[in-house]
Amino acid sequence: QVNLLQSGAALVKPGASVKVSCKVSGYTFTDYYIHWIKQGHGKSLEWIGNINPYSDYTNYNEKFENRAALTVDKSTNTAFMDLSRLTSEDSATYYCTRCGYYFSRFPCYFDYWGHGVMVTVSS
Amino acid sequence: DVQMTQSPSYLAASPGESVSISCKASKSISNNLAWYQEKPGKAHKLLIHSGSTLQSKTPSRFSGSGSGTDFTLTISSLEFEDFAVYYCQQYDEYPPTFGAGTKLELK
Repeated sequence: QVNLLQSGAALVKPGASVKVSCKVSGYTFTDYYIHWIKQGHGKSLEWIGNINPYSDYTNYNEKFENRAALTVDKSTNTAFMDLSRLTSEDSATYYCTRCGYYFSRFPCYFDYWGHGVMVTVSS
Repeated sequence: DVQMTQSPSYLAASPGESVSISCKASKSISNNLAWYQEKPGKAHKLLIHSGSTLQSKTPSRFSGSGSGTDFTLTISSLEFEDFAVYYCQQYDEYPPTFGAGTKLELK
């Protein structure tokens, strides 16, 4: 079955960077875009960006464009999100999700989610 | 960005009751609307997409309706496992945006 396994929680200092991983299984990695979502504590969900695992094409929310970098490693079926210049506002849970449409660059719903990675930014 | 206004924020109900959650988009999104369920310790679950299409394994007591700007999620005959937080999401245009969520609590 489809599974998105995310890395563990992270504690990082303000101004530093964090890299979160998402290892997928149960389907062909390059067939579906991976999207990343942020959820602040007790808050709603915010779309960060997406990546085409086949071509490495990326698309970002303007709000995160200068600080987020999405990559993949096709050899290990793993997607990564790197977020830099962290502040307390970045303390949140970050989810990787799979687009519900096959190989689609268009906006989509998310049919599978990882369990999320809690990132805490604190000195 | 398309703003998604979800209401109510909190809803208290008892098993067996029916409830409805509203989601309004700031502009027409056709039927490009999904509903998700969030429960502690579990991955978010896609319930409905395309406004009214039940995702595989979504129980038939869940239903979605609406198009354009106004959408509704209805849960008929609530079961204990349905008490959770629900979110709507538009995917008509980038960036995809979510409602603020509705917490369905046990009365």
